[in-house]
Amino acid sequence: GAGVSQSPSNKVTEKGKDVELRCDPISGHTALYWYRQSLGQGLEFLIYFQGNSAPDKSGLPSDRFSAERTGGSVSTLTIQRTQQEDSAVYLCASSLRGRGGTEAFFGQGTRLTVV
Amino acid sequence: AQTVTQSQPEMSVQEAETVTLSCTYDTSESDYYLFWYKQPPSRQMILVIRQEAYKQQNATENRFSVNFQKAAKSFSLKISDSQLGDAAMYFCAYQASGTYKYIFGTGTRLKVLA
Repeated sequence: GAGVSQSPSNKVTEKGKDVELRCDPISGHTALYWYRQSLGQGLEFLIYFQGNSAPDKSGLPSDRFSAERTGGSVSTLTIQRTQQEDSAVYLCASSLRGRGGTEAFFGQGTRLTVV
Repeated sequence: AQTVTQSQPEMSVQEAETVTLSCTYDTSESDYYLFWYKQPPSRQMILVIRQEAYKQQNATENRFSVNFQKAAKSFSLKISDSQLGDAAMYFCAYQASGTYKYIFGTGTRLKVLA
């Protein structure tokens, strides 16, 4: 596609429910990132994919968070048993290689609100 | 661990004036990349400018330029002839050479006054 696409744009969910956030990266980009942006905070790294594998899951805040990427393309971030502190904007980015100072292209994010 | 610090949570500038946003970083690496990203209300982050640490010359993109001081680990962004469309959050980011992770600061909200 022309850019990184994320869906849904906004999601309101009840505490304890599971949510799935989707990211469709730029075609041909091998690297894919998930970041979390909380109010007044910077971007917190969650996970990085190179192709379909995730060599770095160190940023996932708890075992309620998981992510997968299939076909070297679409990625899904799943949050189980959501808590109020999960409320944030979840940003996805892709880049051609991931290394070498290449530009990361971001989607518009998913604003998650847990009530 | 590498860190990026933006000490100005918010800045204001009059339209057509010049403003400088500050960024400092901490690293023991000698080769790395630095970025400034803009996040307008639409939330989509856009690359403004990029600097390679091994290049001494400061990067410039139209009205945007950087002052890169490697020894001081400082990477400020200067916006000249500020426009209303420049109003946004600006994030400074760091990536060590050979690694994949982008490390971001907490951002500076820029307001442009008409």
